[in-house]
Amino acid sequence: DIQMTQSPNSLPASVGDRVTITCQASQDIRNNLNWYQQKPGKAPKVLIYETFNLGTGVPSRFSGSGSGTDFTLTISSLQPEDIATYYCQQYESLPITFGQGTRLEIK
Amino acid sequence: QVQLVESGGGLVKPGRSLRLSCTASGFTFSDYYMTWVRQTPGKGLEWVSTISSAGSATYYADSVNGRFVISRDNAKNSLYLQLTSLRVEDTALYYCTREGQQWLVGPNWFDPWGQGTLVIVSS
Repeated sequence: DIQMTQSPNSLPASVGDRVTITCQASQDIRNNLNWYQQKPGKAPKVLIYETFNLGTGVPSRFSGSGSGTDFTLTISSLQPEDIATYYCQQYESLPITFGQGTRLEIK
Repeated sequence: QVQLVESGGGLVKPGRSLRLSCTASGFTFSDYYMTWVRQTPGKGLEWVSTISSAGSATYYADSVNGRFVISRDNAKNSLYLQLTSLRVEDTALYYCTREGQQWLVGPNWFDPWGQGTLVIVSS
């Protein structure tokens, strides 16, 4: 199985900050990487698919980059509504696996 | 609008069975792969099973293979997950999700997700 490791586990940040979350795969997954946002009490929502592509309705302050084993989710200017837990997910091979999540908090 | 609504969760004793359902609306159900993902506080998000658009191909996580069966009824716009030989570690919120892109051979990305149905396995 491909292991997905996110860092950090939690991230205190201030409104307006540039925020970066990283995800590392245990083997090469090419660009087969997605990011999800989950707000408390809600289902996950796709933010970024196939490493770079914004999900429908996702603000342009979100962006994704990377390839192979190392990937990054960036929020260019943190907004209060971005407080959530973020997960990466690989689909290079079965089983589909998710990262453990990064909890974004307001400082 | 696109909507997925799960049902069928509940409290069940170890070894027993349960059938989860997901009713889809707002899109051509038969054009999409469908997937079940579960979530627990301890293990986070875990992919459970995927079924092809026509139902001819199914895929399972090792942890549920042989105990769970995924199926669909395209005439009823419905997805199912039959859970048997339930274990305490199957306790989770079970989400129904759709493949992110029409006609795409999945699983790839999941969009949207239902609100989830809670399964609690306890004696």
